[in-house]
Amino acid sequence: RKEVEQDPGPFNVPEGATVAFNCTYSNSASQSFFWYRQDCRKEPKLLMSVYSSGNEDGRFTAQLNRASQYISLLIRDSKLSDSATYLCVVKAKIGANNLFFGTGTRLTVIP
Amino acid sequence: EAQVTQNPRYLITVTGKKLTVTCSQNMNHEYMSWYRQDPGLGLRQIYYSMNVEVTDKGDVPEGYKVSRKEKRNFPLILESPSPNQTSLYFCASSTWGPPTDTQYFGPGTRLTVL
Repeated sequence: RKEVEQDPGPFNVPEGATVAFNCTYSNSASQSFFWYRQDCRKEPKLLMSVYSSGNEDGRFTAQLNRASQYISLLIRDSKLSDSATYLCVVKAKIGANNLFFGTGTRLTVIP
Repeated sequence: EAQVTQNPRYLITVTGKKLTVTCSQNMNHEYMSWYRQDPGLGLRQIYYSMNVEVTDKGDVPEGYKVSRKEKRNFPLILESPSPNQTSLYFCASSTWGPPTDTQYFGPGTRLTVL
């Protein structure tokens, strides 16, 4: 079983739509959770960390459900510039810094 | 400007010809790592280093070597490249542990082994 699983998509949505991605993780002892954004052929960049209480950054909201072992990312009022691949990332081990990446969910926002 | 640099950005080589991909960061980060990214498999960690002279295997270390003689540099060495090492490689650095777990990635090296 993979450490982190995501629906690969693609998600094709019109501008202004609200879209949500989920991601599940297998290790219940996982410590930290993140969403990264990756544009085509570019390096991943941190979008936001995910906290137990949930957190919001502008149009982006991330939530963590430890009981069900999933994290979510909600994007409101989608913009063309939101088109990218969104990577779910989990830090699984205490005392180590290795991260596990999902394969990514591809989002295309259509005019 | 804070950054992670990798060289070369693109490389085509032949089976068995030793190569090194360099990685350098200017943020004084303790932690550095190498990933490879393949379609359908996502990013997989090859090796990581928690500080100078401290390295350890990630999930897919076979066929790779690393060294960490200086804090800023973390080269990836392929002693005898094979076609299954054709991939997109990313170097990353971060401070050690929480609260700052942000990984800063280099721009990537696209390697083709014929």
